[in-house]
Amino acid sequence: QKEVEQNSGPLSVPEGAIASLNCTYSDRGSQSFFWYRQYSGKSPELIMFIYSNGDKEDGRFTAQLNKASQYVSLLIRDSQPSDSATYLCAVNPTGGSNYKLTFGKGTLLTVNP
Amino acid sequence: EPEVTQTPSHQVTQMGQEVILRCVPISNHLYFYWYRQILGQKVEFLVSFYNNEISEKSEIFDDQFSVERPDGSNFTLKIRSTKLEDSAMYFCASKAGGAGELFFGEGSRLTVL
Repeated sequence: QKEVEQNSGPLSVPEGAIASLNCTYSDRGSQSFFWYRQYSGKSPELIMFIYSNGDKEDGRFTAQLNKASQYVSLLIRDSQPSDSATYLCAVNPTGGSNYKLTFGKGTLLTVNP
Repeated sequence: EPEVTQTPSHQVTQMGQEVILRCVPISNHLYFYWYRQILGQKVEFLVSFYNNEISEKSEIFDDQFSVERPDGSNFTLKIRSTKLEDSAMYFCASKAGGAGELFFGEGSRLTVL
């Protein structure tokens, strides 16, 4: 059974702080990794994807991947109240174009003004 | 901006009834998916569809489920005889070929009574 594990939270940070979200996965052969944001009652929205070990930055967001440790993280700098949502980690077991994503249960982030 | 559209947004049905959920994927996309999310739980992969056939399906996608792309624009999920445990939010998603973003629709909430 392929698993993706996240701390369920809630993670509470003050506005302007760095929020750090973590995810581990069980399938060592996994190839691509995604972070989604989901507001309550809404659909997942892609924040970032990462395929290679190391860091990938996009604006206030940085994804970090360590395949040896089977670990992927998301850092949100200068957190805003609008960042308050559930953050979903998702893993694709293959490197192909077809995405059969396994999602974690998500970490609820609250950014306090 | 192109988007995946789903109808209905909410459907209430009696146990044992057939339900069809409809989706219009983004027009030039090649891969089509159904995911579901039971309230408070993970987003789960159901099925992927490529080149007019199912390319992958999960254990959840049993004989009660079927998918169809009847006319080149719509993509439907049929549940033949609904059970109470089918109550969930069903997300349609699509993506273009190659690597890239999986676009989710807003979801269809199914309530089985």
